[in-house]
This record gives sequence, C-alpha cells and structure tokens, in this order.
Amino acid sequence: DQQVKQNSPSLSVQEGRISILNCDYTNSMFDYFLWYKKYPAEGPTFLISISSIKDKNEDGRFTVFLNKSAKHLSLHIVPSQPGDSAVYFCAATVTSGTYKYIFGTGTRLKVLA
Amino acid sequence: NAGVTQTPKFQVLKTGQSMTLQCAQDMNHNSMYWYRQDPGMGLRLIYYSASEGTTDKGEVPDGYNVSRLKKQNFLLGLESAAPSQTSVYFCASSNSLPGQGNEQFFGPGTRLTVL
Repeated sequence: DQQVKQNSPSLSVQEGRISILNCDYTNSMFDYFLWYKKYPAEGPTFLISISSIKDKNEDGRFTVFLNKSAKHLSLHIVPSQPGDSAVYFCAATVTSGTYKYIFGTGTRLKVLA
Repeated sequence: NAGVTQTPKFQVLKTGQSMTLQCAQDMNHNSMYWYRQDPGMGLRLIYYSASEGTTDKGEVPDGYNVSRLKKQNFLLGLESAAPSQTSVYFCASSNSLPGQGNEQFFGPGTRLTVL
C-alpha cells in the first residue's frame, strides 16, 4: 500500500515557466513533509519542508503548499531553470509515536532551454 | 567535510554470497539510515539507528542485518544475497532523532547486482 504517491512519473517545462510537482498521501498521521531533489548517480538532497500546522512554506524559487483536507502537497518552482532538471521525491513523516518516513516514487522534471 | 560516504560504489554478487556495505558520516549526526531504491518505487527504509549501539527495523528489513558500533559508521550486511536484493542502496544521516522529521543527508549510493 503506497502511502505517499506521486502520480506523474515525468514532467517537462520550458525554462522560465512554473513547474508544479504534486504529491498525495493517505495516512492522516503524517505531520511533516519534505521534498528532495536527486541527480543521476547522486544521493537525494533536501530541498524544502513543511509542517502540518502550515499551509505554505517558501524558500527562494521553491514554494511548498499543503492542503491537509485533501491530503495533498505540491512543490512550485518559479522560474524553472535547466539546472532544476532532476528527480523530485516527496517524503512524509510522523513526528511522534512509531517512526515513519515514507518516500513517494518520484517525478522526473525536465526543464527545456 | 565529506558528508556521507558509501563504499563500494558498485558490487556484483552471486546468489548466496554475503557482503557488507559501508557508510560513514563526518557530521557528528546521531541518527543513520539505510534505504533501498528500486525502479518505479520510492526509497524504502531497511534499518535505522538513533544512536551508537542501537538499531531498529524499517519497512523492509528481511535478509539484512546492521551494526552501529561507532557513531560515524553504519554497516549493512547481506547474509545470503538473493536476486531480489538487486537495488541501489542509500545511506543517510540526520542530526535529529528519527521521528523529529528533520532533513536527512544522503550518500551517493551503492549499486548492487545479485546474479
């Protein structure tokens, strides 16, 4: 049972436009969410996170939105740059009780110059 | 400051062989983790360690063992390799305890093929 889903395996966007990557989760116990970026032959690197008490967190070109009622989060990248081309993973975690840290399956973003 | 390093980068084993994947971090992090990544799937947690000398099972621990004898090292052992263990293995560390939700720092991965 995939508790964290990224339903779009790939996405192509023109340089300078907005990239929107989506993530859905099923477990209402998740209370902290993170996005990681992964280049080929490298490990994932942390990008941005959001607590369930917020609905938006912004860091430069990256903004994460959380809709708890819909169990949905999204990552917006504006403006998109060719260097943003990578695989993006969302992750959801429970910060109390039994440890859970679940990754989605990833979305491959290609930013076209 | 090398961050998280993993050895080897690549390994090919025959079914039934054993081996140990090594992970080291120089950030003085308390917690360390082992994940595997398979095509079309996210990273899945195999084992984690909240501190030196303690380990706990993750989502997919069967067929693996771990040891955390030193704070900076976390070893993943395959007792008797099976083709189903063909995967890319990532080690990670974090400054917080597992469950505090903080970011994890990942190594570059070990690509393991079991024939």
